[in-house]
Amino acid sequence: DQQVKQNSPSLSVQEGRISILNCDYTNSMFDYFLWYKKYPAEGPTFLISISSIKDKNEDGRFTVFLNKSAKHLSLHIVPSQPGDSAVYFCAASAMMSGGSNYKLTFGKGTLLTVNP
Amino acid sequence: ETGVTQTPRHLVMGMTNKKSLKCEQHLGHNAMYWYKQSAKKPLELMFVYSLEERVENNSVPSRFSPECPNSSHLFLHLHTLQPEDSALYLCASSQERGTEAFFGQGTRLTVV
Repeated sequence: DQQVKQNSPSLSVQEGRISILNCDYTNSMFDYFLWYKKYPAEGPTFLISISSIKDKNEDGRFTVFLNKSAKHLSLHIVPSQPGDSAVYFCAASAMMSGGSNYKLTFGKGTLLTVNP
Repeated sequence: ETGVTQTPRHLVMGMTNKKSLKCEQHLGHNAMYWYKQSAKKPLELMFVYSLEERVENNSVPSRFSPECPNSSHLFLHLHTLQPEDSALYLCASSQERGTEAFFGQGTRLTVV
């Protein structure tokens, strides 16, 4: 059973517009969420994170929103640029629960294409 | 330079071969991981090492054998693999209690 779900395998947006990538999770123990970006033939690169005590975290063009009651998070990229075209992975961990607090559970990823 | 280096980048091996994947991190991290990425599947955590001790093995077949000789190096020894083991194998590292894992570029493995 997938604990982290990215239901959209792909997303296409126009340059300059907003990209919204969505992620849902089922494990209520998750309290730390991350987004990774992956280009072809490269490993995932950490992008932005948010802990469950917050509902928003912003870093430049990237903002992550967390809705704990809905077990949903989203990544907003604005304005989108062609160089943002990549696969975006959502990941979650139970950082505060102790034990395997470094274990990340990943979604399947969403391929974002930003058209010039 | 990501701080996590994997070699080789590409590997083709027969089902009777023995090969090893190597990972090296220069970030001073205490935890290292092997992940497997197959097409259309989530990243699958295979092994976790913390302070050179294996702390997690996610039901990985014994034809995959990890080794962590020190906190900077991690190996994945492969023997008698199956074609379905063809995938991208990613190494990552993190601070012991942190969760921002830094990934290597991966080894694209093809088993023929």
